Amino acid sequence: KNEVEQSPQNLTAQEGEFITINCSYSVGISALHWLQQHPGGGIVSLFMLSSGKKKHGRLIATINIQEKHSSLHITASHPRDSAVYICAVKTSGSRLTFGEGTQLTVNP
Amino acid sequence: ETGVTQTPRHLVMGMTNKKSLKCEQHLGHNAMYWYKQSAKKPLELMFVYSLEERVENNSVPSRFSPECPNSSHLFLHLHTLQPEDSALYLCASSQDKGDTQYFGPGTRLTVL
Repeated sequence: KNEVEQSPQNLTAQEGEFITINCSYSVGISALHWLQQHPGGGIVSLFMLSSGKKKHGRLIATINIQEKHSSLHITASHPRDSAVYICAVKTSGSRLTFGEGTQLTVNP
Repeated sequence: ETGVTQTPRHLVMGMTNKKSLKCEQHLGHNAMYWYKQSAKKPLELMFVYSLEERVENNSVPSRFSPECPNSSHLFLHLHTLQPEDSALYLCASSQDKGDTQYFGPGTRLTVL
């Protein structure tokens, strides 16, 4: 069992829908990252969280340290949001442990 | 454009070839990372360099040999690879170990 589990693995939505991607982890962490990977491979860091909530444009990330759970929300989704969203947790030093990713497809 | 570039973007090599992957960061960071991403598997950390010293080697086979000649450049030398080494190899950098990492576009490697 992976230390970082994401759900769902695949998600298809219509443009404009509110989207939630979940991440649960089983280890103690110092921070949690949400990353976006577009076709072709490039990865962009969206958020780094250690508590509470962060918002950037239409993206919102929350974390509950006690429940070892984080969510990434996308409001008013758009086809350009189609990508793989990856949750990663920082456990010790520089090490990041990654989830398997959630493939999001937003249809026009 | 994240400030981290990787070349080549695609590489096909035979099992007896020797090749190198290059990563360059233009962000003034002092830590650099190599990751492997295989199909349907999470990203795997391979190596970490901090201040040009290798600080982490995550049980990677010796057919992968990293080199960090300065804080802006990172290489991954490949020799005698196996078909199961085919994957996307991603480089990343950060200001310090543990800070937010900025990823390059990756090199798609195919070993025949």
